[in-house]
Amino acid sequence: EAGVTQFPSHSVIEKGQTVTLRCDPISGHDNLYWYRRVMGKEIKFLLHFVKESKQDESGMPNNRFLAERTGGTYSTLKVQPAELEDSGVYFCASSQDRHQPQHFGDGTRLSIL
Amino acid sequence: GENVEQHPSTLSVQEGDSAVIKCTYSDSASNYFPWYKQELGKGPQLIIDIRSNVGEKKDQRIAVTLNKTAKHFSLHITETQPEDSAVYFCAARLSNFGNEKLTFGTGTRLTIIP
Repeated sequence: EAGVTQFPSHSVIEKGQTVTLRCDPISGHDNLYWYRRVMGKEIKFLLHFVKESKQDESGMPNNRFLAERTGGTYSTLKVQPAELEDSGVYFCASSQDRHQPQHFGDGTRLSIL
Repeated sequence: GENVEQHPSTLSVQEGDSAVIKCTYSDSASNYFPWYKQELGKGPQLIIDIRSNVGEKKDQRIAVTLNKTAKHFSLHITETQPEDSAVYFCAARLSNFGNEKLTFGTGTRLTIIP
């Protein structure tokens, strides 16, 4: 069984540009989560999808971040325009249902110059 | 909201000795506590988890204990090996429906000295 897959593994962009991160969850997992780790701090929750619906987006930092999960399969996280403080590692996780463990991808390391 | 504290931030252990990492949580409504291991360049990998109706769980050299009254839980690794070197994260999750996010500790960098 393939794990959670994230693209790209690393992205370097300039401040003000736009970047889109993609996450493919484990097949059959309805729950998809985005997290990020900034500057070696703790991993922080961004949002949670159940199928194509946003269940909880309380962790989204501001309206420069837009997450979508059209069709309830893969998800994208767009940052527009990117700011310096957006640098960090963005992780995606998925679970079969709310009671099951969350399995993480290897993350996208985002560097804003 | 939930807050998780993790100690120590770094830990060096002689190969073959035991390692213990401790976490405390603030919200008594939390009922699920996973531990993740993150190796360089990889994502967090679930190594063991415990639910609030259980006090201890073991899986080979790894064990987790939970004290609900004191609101703390610990990871125990026995007979440590070089491949145990990694960053370990504890996390907590509330029991409320619609609030399935994990709240993480700040991580512990474990180094096994050969």
